Parts: sequence; structure tokens; C-alpha cells
Amino acid sequence: GNSVTQMEGPVTLSEEAFLTINCTYTATGYPSLFWYVQYPGEGLQLLLKATKADDKGSNKGFEATYRKETTSFHLEKGSVQVSDSAVYFCALGAGNNRKLIWGLGTSLAVNP
Amino acid sequence: DGGITQSPKYLFRKEGQNVTLSCEQNLNHDAMYWYRQDPGQGLRLIYYSQIVNDFQKGDIAEGYSVSREKKESFPLTVTSAQKNPTAFYLCASSIRGTGDQETQYFGPGTRLLVL
Repeated sequence: GNSVTQMEGPVTLSEEAFLTINCTYTATGYPSLFWYVQYPGEGLQLLLKATKADDKGSNKGFEATYRKETTSFHLEKGSVQVSDSAVYFCALGAGNNRKLIWGLGTSLAVNP
Repeated sequence: DGGITQSPKYLFRKEGQNVTLSCEQNLNHDAMYWYRQDPGQGLRLIYYSQIVNDFQKGDIAEGYSVSREKKESFPLTVTSAQKNPTAFYLCASSIRGTGDQETQYFGPGTRLLVL
């Protein structure tokens, strides 16, 4: 079946450090891939998405590239800020009903 | 200002009581979803609805009920049969019939606590 695996957290970085959060998936067909962000006590916000192989999603300095050959969609940012502290979720959309399949989330803490 | 609203922000439930969580959207989205979020467990789908007057069970529907009488509204009732209801509940919506139908947009959430 379809599934998403994210690297476990928490991830703790200093401000201006480089961020990578790994996400790999298993799916039949051609899924769409998403990254969502959740700030403390809030709902989820769409961060970026990619709908086909080799697409790169980007937003607010974050990037992720849809790699079909490695079934991955790793999230990266070149220089994190304290305000990036949040939980990041990778998700996959596939199947006839196109429901999203969610990773467990990765908590990021950025220290000044 | 389009979006999804959930109310209340905090809700307290007594033993044996049913409580209803509100979710309203003015995005003209067709599909709506309810998720439960527990620490360290990510999001789990409770119910979803793709059109008015129709809904389907998700992965953890037991102890919950929903209705979809209007396109804009998808209330969730947590019944007394749900023995461990303490969690953060998230409502989401998405549009159908386009290439963007999988993208879900979320409300701010309701935190349910048991007294």
C-alpha cells in the first residue's frame, strides 16, 4: 500500500544552519507529494508541493524535489531562522479518492 | 477573507457526554475532512465527505459521527462511545474536479479535553 516515512525528530539546529528533513514514500502510480508545516497550537499550512517527477516545490526559502528514482521528497532550507521552529509533515496523495497519506511529522527547533 | 473556521478553540467533555465540533469553510470547496492528532502519532483520518449528503469513514471512525447537510459545514460529534477523546481535532477541505484536488487546507483546530 501507499506509505510515507519521515526522519524522526526532534531536529535541533542553530540559526543560519542548513536544514534537511528526509521523506521517502511507497506508492503505486504517480502520486503528488506535499510538505505541510504546523506551528505550535495551530492547524497545518501547506508549505510546498510537487505533482510529477523532477518537479521542485519551493516557498519561503524551503525547497523539495520529487525524485521518482529514489522515491524521495526531502525538505531543505539553506539558512534556518528561529521562526522556522515547527513540526513538518510530509504527505502523499494517490489512489482513486486522492486522500492524503501522512508521515508522522518531524519537530524542528532552531536556537538563536 | 476566505478560509476554514473551527469552533470552539477548546472544548471540555464530561464522561458520557456527546460533544460537537464545528467546521465551516467559505472556500467553495467540495470535499471536507476531519483528522485527529495525538502527540507523536501524526494525523489520523476520522471521516471525510466529497459531496453534500455523502460521507465515508476514515481510519478511526468508531465513536464519532458526522453530517454534511450543507457544502460549507461539516460538524463532527464525539460520542460517549469514544473512550479516549482527548486530542487535537483538525478540519480540512479541498476542491474536486481539478488538478489541485489533493491539496488540503486546514482550520486552526479544536483541542478537546475530558473532565
